[in-house]
Amino acid sequence: EAQVTQNPRYLITVTGKKLTVTCSQNMNHEYMSWYRQDPGLGLRQIYYSMNVEVTDKGDVPEGYKVSRKEKRNFPLILESPSPNQTSLYFCASSLSTTGANEQFFGPGTRLTVL
Amino acid sequence: AQSVAQPEDQVNVAEGNPLTVKCTYSVSGNPYLFWYVQYPNRGLQFLLKYITGDNLVKGSYGFEAEFNKSQTSFHLKKPSALVSDSALYFCAVSFSGSARQLTFGSGTQLTVLP
Repeated sequence: EAQVTQNPRYLITVTGKKLTVTCSQNMNHEYMSWYRQDPGLGLRQIYYSMNVEVTDKGDVPEGYKVSRKEKRNFPLILESPSPNQTSLYFCASSLSTTGANEQFFGPGTRLTVL
Repeated sequence: AQSVAQPEDQVNVAEGNPLTVKCTYSVSGNPYLFWYVQYPNRGLQFLLKYITGDNLVKGSYGFEAEFNKSQTSFHLKKPSALVSDSALYFCAVSFSGSARQLTFGSGTQLTVLP
């Protein structure tokens, strides 16, 4: 089954404790992206990747890191989480980098930082 | 810069009645327009898109949308609403050559009343 998977689905942590949210897609997609969803704000892009070893900042990159060492994986790293990073996070992938293809979304990771 | 506006946070409609969820956009160049739906505790699912060609686009679950270039709008419509259509709907815009791809609206909560 074609899908985007994220782990963990739910995470409660404390301020300053490094964490990684994994994302993997099995569709051989070129483009991958991370979003955060907050009430009333829609989805805002954190980082995106056009290909292996090619990543760039989205609208809200502060406090986050990403890497793309393999085509299928795009982990999101919070090196020192803070309470304002409490949010619902989505990973997404798209077949090409043209912007014309729909994105496929993972099930989401609900993060709470205390 | 590209932006999307969904002017209604909430839309209520009676089952069997037609529904409309509004979206207007601003983008440099020719837009790619998308609608996604989010059910509770789920990721976003692609509904339909406009890239080029016929202004009326048909998508999943009986939904359709009309691209109106002069009004810069891409309203989502369905002739007869179902209770199961109740969900959060997001409009998104991109354009050719946009590395960052999608910019999302803030979302519209659709409630279909039995």
